[in-house]
Amino acid sequence: GAGVSQSPRYKVAKRGQDVALRCDPISGHVSLFWYQQALGQGPEFLTYFQNEAQLDKSGLPSDRFFAERPEGSVSTLKIQRTQQEDSAVYLCASSLVPGTTDTQYFGPGTRLTVL
Amino acid sequence: AQSVAQPEDQVNVAEGNPLTVKCTYSVSGNPYLFWYVQYPNRGLQFLLKYITGDNLVKGSYGFEAEFNKSQTSFHLKKPSALVSDSALYFCAVRDGINKFYFGSGTKLNVKP
Repeated sequence: GAGVSQSPRYKVAKRGQDVALRCDPISGHVSLFWYQQALGQGPEFLTYFQNEAQLDKSGLPSDRFFAERPEGSVSTLKIQRTQQEDSAVYLCASSLVPGTTDTQYFGPGTRLTVL
Repeated sequence: AQSVAQPEDQVNVAEGNPLTVKCTYSVSGNPYLFWYVQYPNRGLQFLLKYITGDNLVKGSYGFEAEFNKSQTSFHLKKPSALVSDSALYFCAVRDGINKFYFGSGTKLNVKP
C-alpha cells in the first residue's frame, strides 16, 4: 500500500538490550515525525526530520534515544540499554511538505515491551 | 505552550443517536486543530482539521467538528452513530511546523 509502514510491529526486549525501530514514510513526504504513546495516553512528540535533517529532537526522553534518516526517506529510531519505562507504542508519521496546515499520516506503530 | 484537553475519558451512545466528543484547546496564535481516530492495534487515522474559514469542518466517515473561538473548543460530532464508530478519538493542536500536542483521548462506545 501507499501508507506509512513500520517494522517490527511488535518487539520484546530484555532490559539493557538495544533495539532499532524502522519507519518507511509515504514516498515523497518531506517531513517525518516520531511519537511515543504510553498505554492509555495520547502520543507524545519525540523528534522531527525535514528530509535528512533532524530539526527538532527536544522530545527524546534521554540520550539513550537516537533517531536518524540518512537519505531523507527511511528512518530508524534506536533505543540503547532499554529500560522498562521505555515500554510503549512508537508511532511514526509523515507529511508531504513542512507547514502548519499539512496533515500527518501515521503508521501502525511498533509496540515495544521491555521485560 | 499549546495544549488540548479532552474532558471525557469515555462517551457512550446508542447506535443511531447523535454523538459529541469534546475538545478544548489553549494556543498562542492561530489554532490549527485536528481530530484523529485510533482503532485497536492500529495507527492514528486522520478525520478532519480546522485551519481557517468555516467554523463547521466536515471530515471522513460522516464526522464533522465545530470550531468555537470564544469557547476555545473543537468538538467532534456525528449526526447518527454507528457501532463501527467505536474507537479511541484524539484531538490535537499543531505548534509550528514540527509538533503536535495530543489530548489524552476519548473512548467512544456505540451500543447497538
